[in-house]
Amino acid sequence: AQTVTQSQPEMSVQEAETVTLSCTYDTSENNYYLFWYKQPPSRQMILVIRQEAYKQQNATENRFSVNFQKAAKSFSLKISDSQLGDTAMYFCAFMKHDNNAGNMLTFGGGTRLMVKP
Amino acid sequence: DAGITQSPRHKVTETGTPVTLRCHQTENHRYMYWYRQDPGHGLRLIHYSYGVKDTDKGEVSDGYSVSRSKTEDFLLTLESATSSQTSVYFCAAGPKQFFGPGTRLTVL
Repeated sequence: AQTVTQSQPEMSVQEAETVTLSCTYDTSENNYYLFWYKQPPSRQMILVIRQEAYKQQNATENRFSVNFQKAAKSFSLKISDSQLGDTAMYFCAFMKHDNNAGNMLTFGGGTRLMVKP
Repeated sequence: DAGITQSPRHKVTETGTPVTLRCHQTENHRYMYWYRQDPGHGLRLIHYSYGVKDTDKGEVSDGYSVSRSKTEDFLLTLESATSSQTSVYFCAAGPKQFFGPGTRLTVL
């Protein structure tokens, strides 16, 4: 079974600054995906970024980038130029790569990020 | 959101009553999922479906059943609701796991 751990229950950052959210995971799988989801007060789960484990290059989506360290089983999210709209819960999630089974997500407990003006 | 809707969006019910939540998708995804979200636990998988009439249990399936008679609909049923099933329920679909807007269920 996989486990995902987010060790920072809450974080805050000043608007326009950079913040990094931590995530570690435990798995015996070699092929998998890692995700960061954002959940604003509206409760909608929004996919922020996805990383395939077989890719060495870190995924980037505009102001969001990841630092994927496969050997260390670490997957941190960096938010650059933080904006007030980034205030939300952020969830790290793991998904085993298996074409023949349901690709279920295993989630961490979340980090609540507050962006301050 | 990939065309995923959930109904109802909010429901209050009493202990012991049956409850059915509906997830509807318009993208013809093969896989659909039901998660529940509770404070401190993130989201946890209840059941999932890999095709019409094909379903399997997730991490927290006790007290829940599901059905999928059509590709576009995935139903979650609480046969006899308990207070521990008060939660926010999310449906997801597709290989990229697009999520629906969630259903807040309160069991009194």
